[in-house]
Amino acid sequence: SQTIHQWPATLVQPVGSPLSLECTVEGTSNPNLYWYRQAAGRGLQLLFYSVGIGQISSEVPQNLSASRPQDRQFILSSKKLLLSDSGFYLCAWSPPLGSGNQPQHFGDGTRLSIL
Amino acid sequence: SQQGEEDPQALSIQEGENATMNCSYKTSINNLQWYRQNSGRGLVHLILIRSNEREKHSGRLRVTLDTSKKSSSLLITASRAADTASYFCASSGNTGKLIFGQGTTLQVKP
Repeated sequence: SQTIHQWPATLVQPVGSPLSLECTVEGTSNPNLYWYRQAAGRGLQLLFYSVGIGQISSEVPQNLSASRPQDRQFILSSKKLLLSDSGFYLCAWSPPLGSGNQPQHFGDGTRLSIL
Repeated sequence: SQQGEEDPQALSIQEGENATMNCSYKTSINNLQWYRQNSGRGLVHLILIRSNEREKHSGRLRVTLDTSKKSSSLLITASRAADTASYFCASSGNTGKLIFGQGTTLQVKP
C-alpha cells in the first residue's frame, strides 16, 4: 500500500534562517506531488505541484521554493524565512494525470513557527 | 486564491443528529471531493463525486452535486462524537489540481 511521510512534525525557526521540509511517498511510481500551506482556521492554499522529477510549478509568488530530486521525494525550501511563512504545511500525492478521477492523499503536516 | 466557499463555517450538534454542510465553487469541474481534518493533522479523503453524478453514498455520508448551481452538500447521518473535525470540499478541473473551500468546523456533543 502507498504511504506518505512528512517531517519534521513541528519546527520553530528564527526569522532569516533557512528551511528544508521533506516529503516522501512509498508504494507508487510517478505520483503527482503537492505542497500546501494552511493558515489557522482556513482552507488549503496550493503552493507547488510536480508531475515528474525536476518539474515544478509554482502557484503563488512567495519566499519559498520546491524541488523534486527523486521520483518520490518532494522538498520545500527557503533561503531566508519571513514571519509570514508561519503556518501548517501539508504534502500530498495523487496518481498521475490520466489515471481518472483520483483523490489526493495527505501527510500529517509540519507546523512551522517563525520567531 | 481559494475559490470554494463553505457554509456554515461552524456547526455544533448533538450526537445522533444529522449534520449538513454546503459548498459552492466557481468554475467547471471534473469532480468534487470532500475531506476531513482532525485538529493538527493532515486531510483524509472521504468521498469523490464526478461531474456527471448527482448523488453518492458512503456509509453514513451522502454527497450531492448540482453543477447548474455549482454547489455540493455533505450530509453526515446519525453523527457521533468521533465525527468532530473540520470538513473541506475541493473542486478538481482538468489539471487535477484541487481548489479547497475554507471548511466547516463540526462539533458533535456526546
